Formats: sequence, structure tokens, C-alpha cells
Amino acid sequence: DAKTTQPPSMDCAEGRAANLPCNHSTISGNEYVYWYRQIHSQGPQYIIHGLKNNETNEMASLIITEDRKSSTLILPHATLRDTAVYYCIVPFSGSARQLTFGSGTQLTVLP
Amino acid sequence: SQTIHQWPATLVQPVGSPLSLECTVEGTSNPNLYWYRQAAGRGLQLLFYSVGIGQISSEVPQNLSASRPQDRQFILSSKKLLLSDSGFYLCAWSKGGFSGNTIYFGEGSWLTVV
Repeated sequence: DAKTTQPPSMDCAEGRAANLPCNHSTISGNEYVYWYRQIHSQGPQYIIHGLKNNETNEMASLIITEDRKSSTLILPHATLRDTAVYYCIVPFSGSARQLTFGSGTQLTVLP
Repeated sequence: SQTIHQWPATLVQPVGSPLSLECTVEGTSNPNLYWYRQAAGRGLQLLFYSVGIGQISSEVPQNLSASRPQDRQFILSSKKLLLSDSGFYLCAWSKGGFSGNTIYFGEGSWLTVV
């Protein structure tokens, strides 16, 4: 997998937007960026993924820079239930069988 | 819609005892299936993956094994558990074929070997 770098922790006030950054400077042209989150003692939950264009779904938005070397996951109105570890992953192109989770970012939403 | 279930949710087993964790996927056919392990405070480690019945690839040598007796059933086993086998085990699936498909995880199984 292309190596990703995320801050170990972030805080966000409830109701505000949470912006989680990820660096993936070694990403190849056809590799996707995936975001998952894991709430303590639960399985990881898929959030969103993208290749080049910005993406939005009911959970979040994904902003990918033009050079694709970094991305930002945006939770537009964070709630206490969004407190979790967020993982940015770039699987090997040609092998989605491999999905290596690193340390991620612990997001804490504060009341 | 597709769903994935794994059981048991929690398990406490003595050293040297056998293990069997089961996982089933509903709502899709010929999925890719995966077993991951997450040790406390660490990221996920891919243990096994399968692209079809009876087809198992092992990523990490250890005393665990996996089997896929049916298209949507994946089983993780051990004949004799070690203390180091304790951890959070996750079954996952993705659509078969295209390599970039999203992987979806089950609820996880907590294994404590004592």
C-alpha cells in the first residue's frame, strides 16, 4: 500500500465541521483513497473513497488535492457519535485484498 | 442489501484449546472474504483472504487456518490456541472481481486466551 500519514489525534466541537487530513505522497495514478472509521470495540465502518474528483455521500465529503498527494475527510456537522479512530488507506492497485490499516486519527467530538 | 455477520462476539478460551469463528455474508454472491486481526492499540493485520470456495491465501504464518466450505461462509480455526492469539478478529467481504472494490467489515469477535 502507498504509505499514509495522519495526525494521531484531533478534537472538534459538536456541531462544527471536522476536517481530517491525510498525506499520501507516494500514491500512484490509479490508486484510490479510502476512509474508514472505527468506534471502540466495533468493526471498521466504510465512509467514502475517491480517485481524483471530490466525493460526497450521506456521511462525509472527501477532498483530494489536484496532485493527489493529500486528502481531507470532512464531517460537516460532527456529533458525539462521530468520536472514533479514522483511517486513511491507499490499497495496492490491483490488490484490494490488501487493506493495511495504520494508526489512524483519534477524533474526539467535544460537547 | 448486503449484510455480514460473525460469531461468537466474545470468547474466552484456555491455552491449547481449539478455536472456531464463523462468518456469513448475505445478499451477494461470489464475494471475496477476509479475516483480519487487530491487537490492542494496533492496526489491522490481514490473516487470510479467499476469492472462492476452497481457495484460501494466507498472509501471515501462524497456528491459525481458514476454510471456505460455502460461497458465503468463512471460518477461522485453530487446533491449539496460544496466548498470543488473543485479539479482535474481523471478518470482511468485498465484491468479487474488480480489485478496487470496497471492503465491508463485520462486528468483530473478541478472543481472550487464558
